[in-house]
Amino acid sequence: NAGVTQTPKFQVLKTGQSMTLQCAQDMNHEYMSWYRQDPGMGLRLIHYSVGAGITDQGEVPNGYNVSRSTTEDFPLRLLSAAPSQTSVYFCATSYGTAGTNEKLFFGSGTQLSVL
Amino acid sequence: KQEVTQIPAALSVPEGENLVLNCSFTDSAIYNLQWFRQDPGKGLTSLLLIQSSQREQTSGRLNASLDKSSGRSTLYIAASQPGDSATYLCAVPPGAGSYQLTFGKGTKLSVIP
Repeated sequence: NAGVTQTPKFQVLKTGQSMTLQCAQDMNHEYMSWYRQDPGMGLRLIHYSVGAGITDQGEVPNGYNVSRSTTEDFPLRLLSAAPSQTSVYFCATSYGTAGTNEKLFFGSGTQLSVL
Repeated sequence: KQEVTQIPAALSVPEGENLVLNCSFTDSAIYNLQWFRQDPGKGLTSLLLIQSSQREQTSGRLNASLDKSSGRSTLYIAASQPGDSATYLCAVPPGAGSYQLTFGKGTKLSVIP
């Protein structure tokens, strides 16, 4: 099993450009989420989904869009990249929501730089 | 708002030493607590999950304890090895059915051969 696959691993954007970070999982997890990790700030939740067709905002959703058309995929879209979005992005999935007694599985991350 | 603190931010120990990593949280009404390991340039790997009704969980050389009333958890690593060098993070969901985890900023562990 591949687990949680994120692409690309690295990306450099210019301010104002848009792009999509991909996340795919083959564990049949209902819960999928996107976090960003910044030095000194720790991990913060951007958006999450509890199943196909259902998404909701996390702690820092501004500037990002998500959709969940299948159980397996949960792409994160940057609408108009800004330098403040320079970060490492992680997709994380689980059988249940974060409040259930299920471990969270992380992808290997996408390192994004916005110039 | 739940806040999670991990002290120290960095720790360096000689190989073979037993060590304890600390995690504290401000709201004791947690549903569970997870300990994660993060290697440089990699994602997080869940090591142990302690349910609120449990006092501890063990996996190999790792033992995690939870004291909800005092808002503390510890991760005990026995007979440390250089391969244990990584950043260790703890995280809690605010409550049952919660959709996010609140993470500590981690303790960076270096085990010196």
